[in-house]
Amino acid sequence: DAGITQSPRHKVTETGTPVTLRCHQTENHRYMYWYRQDPGHGLRLIHYSYGVKDTDKGEVSDGYSVSRSKTEDFLLTLESATSSQTSVYFCAISGGQVNQPQHFGDGTRLSIL
Amino acid sequence: GENVEQHPSTLSVQEGDSAVIKCTYSDSASNYFPWYKQELGKRPQLIIDIRSNVGEKKDQRIAVTLNKTAKHFSLHITETQPEDSAVYFCASLSGSARQLTFGSGTQLTVLP
Repeated sequence: DAGITQSPRHKVTETGTPVTLRCHQTENHRYMYWYRQDPGHGLRLIHYSYGVKDTDKGEVSDGYSVSRSKTEDFLLTLESATSSQTSVYFCAISGGQVNQPQHFGDGTRLSIL
Repeated sequence: GENVEQHPSTLSVQEGDSAVIKCTYSDSASNYFPWYKQELGKRPQLIIDIRSNVGEKKDQRIAVTLNKTAKHFSLHITETQPEDSAVYFCASLSGSARQLTFGSGTQLTVLP
């Protein structure tokens, strides 16, 4: 399995609170991604990074921010969580070129009450 | 942006039969098409992928075909087994963007 660790694995929080999810990789891969998975929608890209301090928006970026200060860590922040952001969040990594396979972490189940 | 449609949304087959899942994409510049298998409560796992310079790729009981002209690609699983039961996702990498767009998934059930 690809060396990807997501933390926390589960989190329950209240509307309006800030939340940060962490993705840590040991593969030294260039690309890192954050997806959310909701029933009936498959996987949708939130943000991705193509290098340290280099990030770009995905399909569903509103309400989310990201940071990548080191190759191995990619953080996803919900500045003020809303119930619509209740979801399962997956981090993925890929190396070299953009058309290389993406490998996923085990996910974070986030519930916002 | 890229749009990927996946059919069917559910598929039941008898053990030993074949299963076929189809996807269409909209961006003619898309050049990479992976397939993922996701078991309940687990992470998506890459099972096979194909690039636009290839028409077909096989790996044991799994094969993927690509028709660039029609902009569709398919996953074929032969001799299905109960452990093949899972949700399968197709995806397309748009040539103009550096991101994968996923289909909505197919729940495959292999009946013993």
